[in-house]
Amino acid sequence: GAVVSQHPSWVICKSGTSVKIECRSLDFQATTMFWYRQFPKQSLMLMATSNEGSKATYEQGVEKDKFLINHASLTLSTLTVTSAHPEDSSFYICSATPPGQGMGSPLHFGNGTRLTVT
Amino acid sequence: GENVEQHPSTLSVQEGDSAVIKCTYSDSASNYFPWYKQELGKRPQLIIDIRSNVGEKKDQRIAVTLNKTAKHFSLHITETQPEDSAVYFCAATFSAYSSASKIIFGSGTRLSIRP
Repeated sequence: GAVVSQHPSWVICKSGTSVKIECRSLDFQATTMFWYRQFPKQSLMLMATSNEGSKATYEQGVEKDKFLINHASLTLSTLTVTSAHPEDSSFYICSATPPGQGMGSPLHFGNGTRLTVT
Repeated sequence: GENVEQHPSTLSVQEGDSAVIKCTYSDSASNYFPWYKQELGKRPQLIIDIRSNVGEKKDQRIAVTLNKTAKHFSLHITETQPEDSAVYFCAATFSAYSSASKIIFGSGTRLSIRP
């Protein structure tokens, strides 16, 4: 159980275009999902917390107008990288925790999306 | 601030020997400490976790210890095997919202097992 699916697994786009990444919880409802970014040989950096039915909360230094997050349902959160530039090329990975597990529970990760901006 | 420090950044051990990775965290309210293993190009996989009401937890060759007073926790891998080679991340929870705490990761340790 607790499967998180992420799509697409990889995408190549041209500079200036926008890319949408989907994160779905397949067998549980997730009121909260987390979006991380990982550059090569670096750690997972939390970008934002996606909250169902309300605005996402962004970490310091993350541009909310550039990384649009929508969490319209209990099983789907989307991250849109707007006006992508080569420096946005990275591994984006979402995660969620099944409800009812209390404070401090394991994150279940999607497979990640490797974004390459040319 | 919210911070998790991890050491060493790289670690090479002989097959069969033990490996230890250490982390410290900044928030005394953190109550959950997972460890993840990540292989190249793949998502992180949870290998063991510990909650703040426990000082030590073991699962076969893997163990984690937690010192709440000092705010540090460690991962111990015994009888290392080639398949243990990967990047390991420690993490800690930081209270954010009523429904879910956010998890902040350490910088990672690249573990290599020498045959």
